[in-house]
Parts: sequence; C-alpha cells; structure tokens
Amino acid sequence: DTAVSQTPKYLVTQMGNDKSIKCEQNLGHDTMYWYKQDSKKFLKIMFSYNNKELIINETVPNRFSPKSPDKAHLNLHINSLELGDSAVYFCASSQGVSYNEQFFGPGTRLTVL
Amino acid sequence: ILNVEQSPQSLHVQEGDSTNFTCSFPSSNFYALHWYRWETAKSPEALFVMTLNGDEKKKGRISATLNTKEGYSYLYIKGSQPEDSATYLCAFSNAGNMLTFGGGTRLMVKP
Repeated sequence: DTAVSQTPKYLVTQMGNDKSIKCEQNLGHDTMYWYKQDSKKFLKIMFSYNNKELIINETVPNRFSPKSPDKAHLNLHINSLELGDSAVYFCASSQGVSYNEQFFGPGTRLTVL
Repeated sequence: ILNVEQSPQSLHVQEGDSTNFTCSFPSSNFYALHWYRWETAKSPEALFVMTLNGDEKKKGRISATLNTKEGYSYLYIKGSQPEDSATYLCAFSNAGNMLTFGGGTRLMVKP
C-alpha cells in the first residue's frame, strides 16, 4: 500500500493553462504539505494544511492554491501556468506539527512549454 | 528567511570509510531538526527527528547529534556501504508546521 500517492507522475502542459495535481495519504495523518523542488534541487515548502488551517509560504504566487476535500487529500491547483513553474512538486504528510517525521509522495514532474 | 546550510555539498568515500556531515541552522526559536535520506528517483525518507539539545539518535550504522544552542547537527555514517549513496537532507523548524530544508549533502560510496 502506498502511504502518500500523487497523480499524475508527469504533467506536460502549455503556458497559461490551469492544472491540478492530486495528493492522497492513507496514514491517517492530520497535516499535509506541498513542496517545490527548485532548479537547484532545493526542497521549498509551499503550503502546510492542518485541521482546516492553511499556512502559506509568502513567496508562493497566488496562482497556486491548495484544496483539501477531506483530511486524506490535499490537491494543488495552479492557474495561468508560467514557464518558471516547471519543477518537481512533492506532497507530504505528518501527524501533528513539526516534531514528527514527514512522509513524502513520489513527486510530480511538471513541465510547462 | 531561515538559513539552513549543509556541508559538504558532496562527498566521495570508499566502502568501509566512516563519514560525517554538518547541518547548521538558526539557534533561536528552535522546535525540531529533521534528517532525511533521498535516493535518486525516489522520495525523501525520514531518518531522525530531534527536538532536545544534546539529543543523539541512532539507526543501524547511522547516527545524529544535536546542539541547539550553537545551531548545528552532525550526521555520522559508520562503515559506509554503496547502498548508503544518497543525498542527506536536514530540515529545521522554528514554529508551526513549516520545515526549511538545507541544500543537502550528496554522498557517493565507491565499492
């Protein structure tokens, strides 16, 4: 059983389009995250979502929005895609706050043409 | 902006060598320090989460120490094996749920 899953694994799209990446965790965790792996391979936190509380990294453009239909899902919506959005996006989950380890999904490679 | 720095950026060792890397982070408002192991084409996997000054954790041949007062953590690998080849990430939290990751140390172990 995959603990944290993401779909799709690869996403190729044109500039200006709107797209979504789905994330599901079956670990019963109460906190989920989205990270972007930038061009230098750094992992940068984008969002943290816990009990309906959303914490946003202020550097994330408002074209990016997370949506959580339930505790097991945190989907990432991106509007008006730009070339610079091309990256690998990782979803993760944990139980509680920063004292507990995070479990990462396999990543989604987004390519904007 | 929180600075989390790891050194060295990359490291080549021979099988059987012991090695260590450093993670430095802000020493104020410390909550937790995480270590993750990230193999190529996979996702990061947690090794340790440390919260108290002086914490030492061990998992097999890998261990880590934490000094929150001076803002550093060491990760040690004893008797490196080729399967230890990976990027080792540390991540720091000073509040809430947000982790700031360092750039990683890429370890390559030659047989």
